[in-house]
Amino acid sequence: AQTVTQSQPEMSVQEAETVTLSCTYDTSESDYYLFWYKQPPSRQMILVIRQEAYKQQNATENRFSVNFQKAAKSFSLKISDSQLGDAAMYFCAYREIQGAQKLVFGQGTRLTINP
Amino acid sequence: DVKVTQSSRYLVKRTGEKVFLECVQDMDHENMFWYRQDPGLGLRLIYFSYDVKMKEKGDIPEGYSVSREKKERFSLILESASTNQTSMYLCASSLPNFVQAQETQYFGPGTRLLVL
Repeated sequence: AQTVTQSQPEMSVQEAETVTLSCTYDTSESDYYLFWYKQPPSRQMILVIRQEAYKQQNATENRFSVNFQKAAKSFSLKISDSQLGDAAMYFCAYREIQGAQKLVFGQGTRLTINP
Repeated sequence: DVKVTQSSRYLVKRTGEKVFLECVQDMDHENMFWYRQDPGLGLRLIYFSYDVKMKEKGDIPEGYSVSREKKERFSLILESASTNQTSMYLCASSLPNFVQAQETQYFGPGTRLLVL
């Protein structure tokens, strides 16, 4: 079974600085999707960024980018120019390409932004 | 805009009560999911559904059942609530596999359930 591990329960960063959240996963599949979801204190989970495993290029969405290392099964999220609104729980998630479309989530990392 | 709504944000129930959590999506999505979220465990899948009247067990289905009578609505049922079912429950929906850009799941705001 696939597993996703986020080893940092909590992280903090100064406003305007850069922070990297770590995620590792385990799978025997060669093609899959990886995601970072954000859950602000209001609790609505929203997608931050996604990566298709067959694409070598790292995904980028404005201030958010990933470092996808397929061989190492690592998928970290970098947030540049951190803003107060980035404070949230961040979840890394995995999904198979075919078959069951369920997401397998990591434990989450709580990110605090210090003004 | 994609919208997933859940019937209650907070719910307090007694042990042994039958509990219904409702989820509605307005995006005509085929797939719907129920997860529970617990600190330190992330989100875990309880049940999911690919279509009306279809359901599949997730990773932790024990103590739960689901109902999908209409495409837009997916209900989670706790037949006899227990204190270990105190948790945050999140509903999500997505397009089917054969649709381009279908991999994203859209989440509701969550229902925080307390079982006393």
